[in-house]
Amino acid sequence: GAVVSQHPSRVICKSGTSVKIECRSLDFQATTMFWYRQFPKQSLMLMATSNEGSKATYEQGVEKDKFLINHASLTLSTLTVTSAHPEDSSFYICSASPGQELYNSPLHFGNGTRLTVT
Amino acid sequence: AQKITQTQPGMFVQEKEAVTLDCTYDTSDPSYGLFWYKQPSSGEMIFLIYQGSYDQQNATEGRYSLNFQKARKSANLVISASQLGDSAMYFCAMREGMRGAQKLVFGQGTRLTINP
Repeated sequence: GAVVSQHPSRVICKSGTSVKIECRSLDFQATTMFWYRQFPKQSLMLMATSNEGSKATYEQGVEKDKFLINHASLTLSTLTVTSAHPEDSSFYICSASPGQELYNSPLHFGNGTRLTVT
Repeated sequence: AQKITQTQPGMFVQEKEAVTLDCTYDTSDPSYGLFWYKQPSSGEMIFLIYQGSYDQQNATEGRYSLNFQKARKSANLVISASQLGDSAMYFCAMREGMRGAQKLVFGQGTRLTINP
């Protein structure tokens, strides 16, 4: 159980274009999804928390207009990197939560998306 | 302030030996959970083991055990009988609080290399 699917796994795009990353919960309804970013050899840093049907909550220093998050259904959240630049190249990984559990449940992650902006 | 601290950037261990990966945490919330994840080179995050702040006993899951010392705010991961497939990044993480779906905060990670 608790399977999270993320697509695409790898994407290369040109500077100035936008890229959409999808995160789906396959066997449960995800009230909340978390988007993390990971630079090479570094830890996972939370970018934003999205709740189904409401606006995402962004962490300090994350540009809302650059990283658009949509959580329109209980099984799908999308992250769109707008006007991507080489410095946006990174590993993006999502995790999903049913929202009912508290601090004592693990988050389950998608397999991540490696974005390269040329 | 760093909430999760992993002080070992890298660890090298001989196959079949046990290894301890250190993790200390900082929180004022009495309700929290501590998690260990494994991240192989392919990137996926694999959940290994969990310890709750109210748990009286140390958690164990197969070859993984958690040495939980609440007063010292440490939650070290012990891997027994290490295998070559254990080579990966290991992250300690924490969730806090009793309200809704709380985010996971990660430590810096430890790269474990198992030598044959």
